[in-house]
Amino acid sequence: EFVLTQSPGTLSLSPGERATLSCRASQIFSSTYLAWYQQKPGQAPRLLIYGASSRATGIPDRFSGSGSGTDFSLTISRLEPEDFAVYYCQQYNNWPRTFGQGTKLEIK
Amino acid sequence: QVQLVQSGPEVKKPGASVKVSCKASGYRFITSHIHWVRQAPGQGLEWMGIINPSTGSTIYAQNFQGRVTMTRDTSTSTVNMELNSLRSEDTAVYYCTRANSAWGGALDIWGQGTMVTVSS
Repeated sequence: EFVLTQSPGTLSLSPGERATLSCRASQIFSSTYLAWYQQKPGQAPRLLIYGASSRATGIPDRFSGSGSGTDFSLTISRLEPEDFAVYYCQQYNNWPRTFGQGTKLEIK
Repeated sequence: QVQLVQSGPEVKKPGASVKVSCKASGYRFITSHIHWVRQAPGQGLEWMGIINPSTGSTIYAQNFQGRVTMTRDTSTSTVNMELNSLRSEDTAVYYCTRANSAWGGALDIWGQGTMVTVSS
């Protein structure tokens, strides 16, 4: 089973700062099948990035994704108050589909 | 607009079964696979399985093999997820979510979630 390990577990930053979240896979896989989701309390997850680097419809350009092989990252260039949430990476190349354990982005 | 609307919250006793429905609208139902993902209180996302609404074929996560059944009704554009032999650890929010085939299968539309509580 593909294991995705996200780091850090919690990231404390201030609005206006830059955030970089990491997702490391236990095996190499195609970046075509790596996604990032944002989840706020009491809400369903929202797709931000698919194919490791493509923004989903309506996602602001301050969100960007990169990476290949086993190492992927999500960068938020300049944090807005609404960006503080939990972020999950997911691989959809192999069965079973798997999610990382999440990174909580909190206000410092 | 494209949406998935799920059935309401459920409270079940250990050993019982629960069936959660997910009605799709705003797109051609048979063209996109539907996944089920659950989230226990304060925990992360756990993938349960997938159904192809066109053929009815399914793939289930090993953790749920033998306990979960996913079905679809093309006449109402609805998919159902039934989980049997419930235990307290099954208390969670259950989400249905659409795989966008143009995006390789990324999960682009999510239902609002259905809270299932298992308690004696």
